[in-house]
Amino acid sequence: SQKIEQNSEALNIQEGKTATLTCNYTNYSPAYLQWYRQDPGRGPVFLLLIRENEKEKRKERLKVTFDTTLKQSLFHITASQPADSATYLCALVSSYGKLTFGQGTILTVHP
Amino acid sequence: GAGVSQSPSNKVTEKGKDVELRCDPISGHTALYWYRQRLGQGLEFLIYFQGNSAPDKSGLPSDRFSAERTGESVSTLTIQRTQQEDSAVYLCASEPGQALDEQFFGPGTRLTVL
Repeated sequence: SQKIEQNSEALNIQEGKTATLTCNYTNYSPAYLQWYRQDPGRGPVFLLLIRENEKEKRKERLKVTFDTTLKQSLFHITASQPADSATYLCALVSSYGKLTFGQGTILTVHP
Repeated sequence: GAGVSQSPSNKVTEKGKDVELRCDPISGHTALYWYRQRLGQGLEFLIYFQGNSAPDKSGLPSDRFSAERTGESVSTLTIQRTQQEDSAVYLCASEPGQALDEQFFGPGTRLTVL
């Protein structure tokens, strides 16, 4: 069956360090993968999309990699700040267009 | 309309009552999803509408749950004979329906079953 696993339910890091979050999947052949941020009491907000033929995508302090051989995406936040503290979700699209989310990783950046 | 809206924002009901939750997607978005999120948990997929195709109901937890969508507009999620375990935030999201789409989420409805 198809599965999306986000390693580390929670990640704690010190301000200024790089946060690295992992998304692994099985039995998918996604054309693309998305990352979202969710703050408490709010719905998720889209951050980045990376296509299957792209190895890496950057947006400001964010960087996403996509390895279709390893079936893995890594999400990096460089120079992390306490305001980056949130839950981060990866999402994959199925062959008929339905988007499915991982369980999320709670990131806490300590000052 | 700027974004996805949901109503009510909060709903408190007694066990055994029926509730109806409403979602107004962004105009022109053909895809619409409902999710459930329990406190401290991830998103639980409930149902997916895409244009005129038959909805994907594979996530509905029981036959007490149903959802309808009129064309490509408003959707309602109905929970009959509510149970305490139905207490959660119910989130709606819409997509334009094209390739490489992002989802736009509403603020959610917080349902509390007493």
